[in-house]
Amino acid sequence: GAVVSQHPSRVICKSGTSVKIECRSLDFQATTMFWYRQFPKQSLMLMATSNEGSKATYEQGVEKDKFLINHASLTLSTLTVTSAHPEDSSFYICSAQNRDRGLHEQFFGPGTRLTVL
Amino acid sequence: GEDVEQSLFLSVREGDSSVINCTYTDSSSTYLYWYKQEPGAGLQLLTYIFSNMDMKQDQRLTVLLNKKDKHLSLRIADTQTGDSAIYFCARGKAAGNKLTFGGGTRVLVKP
Repeated sequence: GAVVSQHPSRVICKSGTSVKIECRSLDFQATTMFWYRQFPKQSLMLMATSNEGSKATYEQGVEKDKFLINHASLTLSTLTVTSAHPEDSSFYICSAQNRDRGLHEQFFGPGTRLTVL
Repeated sequence: GEDVEQSLFLSVREGDSSVINCTYTDSSSTYLYWYKQEPGAGLQLLTYIFSNMDMKQDQRLTVLLNKKDKHLSLRIADTQTGDSAIYFCARGKAAGNKLTFGGGTRVLVKP
């Protein structure tokens, strides 16, 4: 199997606080995880690529200090939205590559809906 | 224009075939994917095709690739109400590389 989980599935926070979202590959080792952001009725926008044991690669226009990514192990990557503001409200989705099944497949988590009040 | 484009909406009757179209601009795309997203959920990989293939069939799903026109399509045979979802096409340049998604096609299956 290739199951990816995210926690929490839904979070509501006050403006100015930080929120951490976890992405786990449950039954495989993921050398690379990707973090996406999806606005209502829109496509997924890649935010960053996270490689285990190294710094994440951010896409143009994504603030590194705002969206902190840590990929501490082959099964866990975290995205921390620092000093969240209402415009950060979105659906955040992670995906993971299973190196045992070929690098061309990405397996997606169920997503985390963040609402900043 | 956008790198990967799809039509926004498709309505189809249950039992009919659905065809979802996608065009892309980057001719170096090596892998082309179709994902399904149900409301409030993540993406489910349906199928993918390598750029050296013209067609791939997997049960009710048929993918056609026209490299010359940079056109990709997904045909769903005998469409069911459970097929109602948003379908995204995506392209990747190389194995392990990041994906670029189209805007998604919302498919509504009517009984």
